[in-house]
Amino acid sequence: QSALTQPASVSGSPGQSITISCTGTSTDVGRYKLVSWYQQHPGKAPKLMIYEVTKRPSGVSSRFSGSKSGNTASLTVSGLQAEDEADYYCCSYAGSSASVIFGGGTKLTVL
Amino acid sequence: EVQLVQSGAEVKKPGESLKISCKASGYSFTSSWIAWVRQMPGKGLEWMGIISPGDSDTRYSPSFEGQVTISVDKSISTAYLHWSSLKASDTAMYYCARRFSGSYSPGDFDNWGQGTLVTVSS
Repeated sequence: QSALTQPASVSGSPGQSITISCTGTSTDVGRYKLVSWYQQHPGKAPKLMIYEVTKRPSGVSSRFSGSKSGNTASLTVSGLQAEDEADYYCCSYAGSSASVIFGGGTKLTVL
Repeated sequence: EVQLVQSGAEVKKPGESLKISCKASGYSFTSSWIAWVRQMPGKGLEWMGIISPGDSDTRYSPSFEGQVTISVDKSISTAYLHWSSLKASDTAMYYCARRFSGSYSPGDFDNWGQGTLVTVSS
């Protein structure tokens, strides 16, 4: 049960868009429409930003969007703002025996 | 307001036992599963397991099965994470989190505790 693969870091300037990828396998990301994304600021608990691939919980900005193709899911942040600088983790359901797995995390830097 | 309040930081020696807690308030405790998530220093998130407070149905990640025990006390709306024999590699921040009722995934959480830092060192 390996962690999902994310780039270690991405960066962008204010107002730009960035995309973070999350690559799994046919037994997790590729099999289920149950991919979510979390934002974590230093010293804080994670916050759910996207669930079930594309859905946003109430209160999350529409600048955050999710998608999936095959074994790879993606998080796009548009109109980058300084407050978006944080670590981002993807998460996928992996079936009842393997439960839930997270990605290794991506540090987003707003230049 | 939904709140999950975790017990304070712990410093323990290898081989010692430990139980940390997560007290829920602001909602019906038995209506939402509670999970535990580990974050080792400078590392990513790891899903440890999840429990249904209503009937104590518990699921563990294969990586944590047999290493920890998750339990609840419904009478005081509190979930627990227990180690019988700590190792230095258990040093980490541990979060409890409430499962998000709007999603089918046991990995989606809408409320989190503040975290409990566990340090295991001789």
